Amino acid sequence: DTEVTQTPKHLVMGMTNKKSLKCEQHMGHRAMYWYKQKAKKPPELMFVYSYEKLSINESVPSRFSPECPNSSLLNLHLHALQPEDSALYLCASSQVIPPGELFFGEGSRLTVL
Amino acid sequence: GQQLNQSPQSMFIQEGEDVSMNCTSSSIFNTWLWYKQDPGEGPVLLIALYKAGELTSNGRLTAQFGITRKDSFLNISASIPSDVGIYFCAGLWDNTDKLIFGTGTRLQVFP
Repeated sequence: DTEVTQTPKHLVMGMTNKKSLKCEQHMGHRAMYWYKQKAKKPPELMFVYSYEKLSINESVPSRFSPECPNSSLLNLHLHALQPEDSALYLCASSQVIPPGELFFGEGSRLTVL
Repeated sequence: GQQLNQSPQSMFIQEGEDVSMNCTSSSIFNTWLWYKQDPGEGPVLLIALYKAGELTSNGRLTAQFGITRKDSFLNISASIPSDVGIYFCAGLWDNTDKLIFGTGTRLQVFP
């Protein structure tokens, strides 16, 4: 069983909605990540937090807003999304950066109508 | 940006056969990770490699960190139906904090 927990597992939202994806890890890791994965494609890095500070933003549109309230939690706030943003959103964690091992959650399947 | 090419893109094999797949790049990588992903699930870490030439096993899985640091290989021996899934390599690009994923190898095992 994964030690990175993501909620919700499925989310359907309209283009005017505001929603959030949540991620939690209890492995004492100090780096947390958001990846986006489209069908039959590899995961693509979106954001990296190290010691609760944003370390990497891969030029992600501002309609995606990450937040790291503490070392165990990572949120992704969603607002005014487009249908092409529909994807599997994966949270991951590692002890530190650079990652020696990266552990993923089960993902949140997002559908934007 | 950097790209990791995996081959083959897909494999259809019979249960009991051995499987080999590889991951190559034109750039040097410091760490190689191999993941397996089932449909609708997150990738699960199989093996991590940290040194050029390193050979590491995890049950029926064996992976190697290429001597040139530009490639890695994964072998699965005596395949079983639950080996079905997509296998991704991931590399930590030299002097960066970014883990880059390969294009994936889809494995299908027939009884």
